[in-house]
Amino acid sequence: QVQLVQSGAEVRKPGASVKVSCKASGYSFTSHGITWVRQAPGQAPEWMGWISTYNGVRNYAQSFQGRVTLTTDTSTTTAYMDLRSLRSDDTAIYYCARVQGTSGPPDYWGQGTLVTVSS
Amino acid sequence: DIQMTQSPSSLSASVGDRVTITCQASQDIEYRLSWYQQKPGKAPNLLIYDASYLETGVPSRFSGSGSGTDFTFTISSLQPEDIATYYCQHYDNLPPIYTFGQGTKLEIK
Repeated sequence: QVQLVQSGAEVRKPGASVKVSCKASGYSFTSHGITWVRQAPGQAPEWMGWISTYNGVRNYAQSFQGRVTLTTDTSTTTAYMDLRSLRSDDTAIYYCARVQGTSGPPDYWGQGTLVTVSS
Repeated sequence: DIQMTQSPSSLSASVGDRVTITCQASQDIEYRLSWYQQKPGKAPNLLIYDASYLETGVPSRFSGSGSGTDFTFTISSLQPEDIATYYCQHYDNLPPIYTFGQGTKLEIK
């Protein structure tokens, strides 16, 4: 069965960076794009970016341009999200999700990774 | 940027009621809309994609309709397990972008 398993909770100080991993299994990794979404407490999900697992092409949300980098490792079927210059308002649950086809709607989601930014 | 306006923001209904949520796009998005259910502490769960297609395994009491700028999500007969927050989401592919509505919190009366 399709599974996306994310790395565990992280605590960072303001100005630091965090890297979250997302291990995919149960399907052909390069046949589906991966997108990253975050959700602050009590808020709607917020899209961060998308990456093609086939050729590495990426597209980032404007609000994260310059601060986020998405990568994949096809040999381990793992996707990564690297967020830099963390602020307290980056405290949120970060989700990876497989999309339908290359860039359709997200259909399978990871369990989420809580990132807490606090001094 | 395309904005998605979802209403109402909260809704209280009785078991067995028909429930309707609407989502309006700021410009024509054709059929590129999905609906998600999210329960507390869980990731969103895809219910409807391409505006009206039911995801595999999703109960048939859930349905979606619309195209262009106006979309509707319906639960034909509300069940206790449907208590959750529902989100619409626009997706595009040139380049890939994803935009969520603000959500509708559904409660049992």
